[in-house]
Amino acid sequence: GEDVEQSLFLSVREGDSSVINCTYTDSSSTYLYWYKQEPGAGLQLLTYIFSNMDMKQDQRLTVLLNKKDKHLSLRIADTQTGDSAIYFCAESMGEAGNEKLTFGTGTRLTIIP
Amino acid sequence: EAQVTQNPRYLITVTGKKLTVTCSQNMNHEYMSWYRQDPGLGLRQIYYSMNVEVTDKGDVPEGYKVSRKEKRNFPLILESPSPNQTSLYFCASSREGARFGNTEAFFGQGTRLTVV
Repeated sequence: GEDVEQSLFLSVREGDSSVINCTYTDSSSTYLYWYKQEPGAGLQLLTYIFSNMDMKQDQRLTVLLNKKDKHLSLRIADTQTGDSAIYFCAESMGEAGNEKLTFGTGTRLTIIP
Repeated sequence: EAQVTQNPRYLITVTGKKLTVTCSQNMNHEYMSWYRQDPGLGLRQIYYSMNVEVTDKGDVPEGYKVSRKEKRNFPLILESPSPNQTSLYFCASSREGARFGNTEAFFGQGTRLTVV
């Protein structure tokens, strides 16, 4: 099936690192994405990784891609209260002209003071 | 300001009463789509449109209709809403389909629909 799987919940102490994991299904996905949804808002693109990369770093964010295991992770260093949100991974799927984003279930990140 | 605008933000309606949720984008995007978000299920695509007059079913199209008469607008129509369509709905647009390079999807603020 076309399932993108994530854990539903993650709690982390303020200042620690958060690691959000995702497994996806389509080995031909060209790009994989992380979106952030803050309370009462729509989703916003946080970062993305091209499938021929293993790692991408952007300030406090590190994305790791294990293509063999179809595993994607997002690490947030020095987690702050403003990082509280739901994080969705997404993969692009489908044939050219009929492609779409398939989202995971979302991981709700809670920061413990 | 680049944005996707949905209306209304909140709606409570009764079973069987036709409703339309509007979506408009000001970025001249070709690709638009509708999703519903339900607890534990993430976002599921309802319908999408690659361009004007081109629409197609997503993963959960039953009970919904869409139209794309103009590039900027992509309304979602529920002809006869039922309680199982109670959900949080998001409209999104992007420059092109997801597979063509880094295509960021821009999302509206969401419409919380309750059908009683």
